[in-house]
Amino acid sequence: DVKVTQSSRYLVKRTGEKVFLECVQDMDHENMFWYRQDPGLGLRLIYFSYDVKMKEKGDIPEGYSVSREKKERFSLILESASTNQTSMYLCASSLEREGYEQYFGPGTRLTVT
Amino acid sequence: LAKTTQPISMDSYEGQEVNITCSHNNIATNDYITWYQQFPSQGPRFIIQGYKTKVTNEVASLFIPADRKSSTLSLPRVSLSDTAVYYCLVVRGGSGGYNKLIFGAGTRLAVHP
Repeated sequence: DVKVTQSSRYLVKRTGEKVFLECVQDMDHENMFWYRQDPGLGLRLIYFSYDVKMKEKGDIPEGYSVSREKKERFSLILESASTNQTSMYLCASSLEREGYEQYFGPGTRLTVT
Repeated sequence: LAKTTQPISMDSYEGQEVNITCSHNNIATNDYITWYQQFPSQGPRFIIQGYKTKVTNEVASLFIPADRKSSTLSLPRVSLSDTAVYYCLVVRGGSGGYNKLIFGAGTRLAVHP
């Protein structure tokens, strides 16, 4: 069974802290994605990666960075957390670069106080 | 990409067949129709994808008429565990690059005992 795991289901951080969200997939997929999901706004793409050490900006990259040192791991970094980054963060991976069929992790609900 | 329109919510009862229709009037020749399911506090899950006519898998069927301007997701004999949000997406094929998955508001399906 395919699996995408995220390091935490719930996380509470203070404003200004540096936050790391980890995502690991066991399907040997080259393509990985980070989204945030907010009520009324749907899923919005933050960053994606086609390969190790490669990254591309999505729709809302400001305030975030990513790291892909190994094929199976894609990390999202909040350089200095702010309250408007309180959200559900979802990681996904796909076999095809086109991303037709994405496998999502369970999500991390981040609260920044 | 073609904009999709689907009902905001639907109600059904256990054992019934549920049909959720999505319109995508401006679908292009190389676009595919894809459906995802999302349970509360979980990431979306790929259900089915099709180009034309009918596609069936162990979870659902997807009906696409000849003009492809709409599609219908059919869930046979729903149970309480099918209560979820269902998203219809149009995904461009053959581009060789990433397709932005645009998750709209989706259809909230509530299955009642």
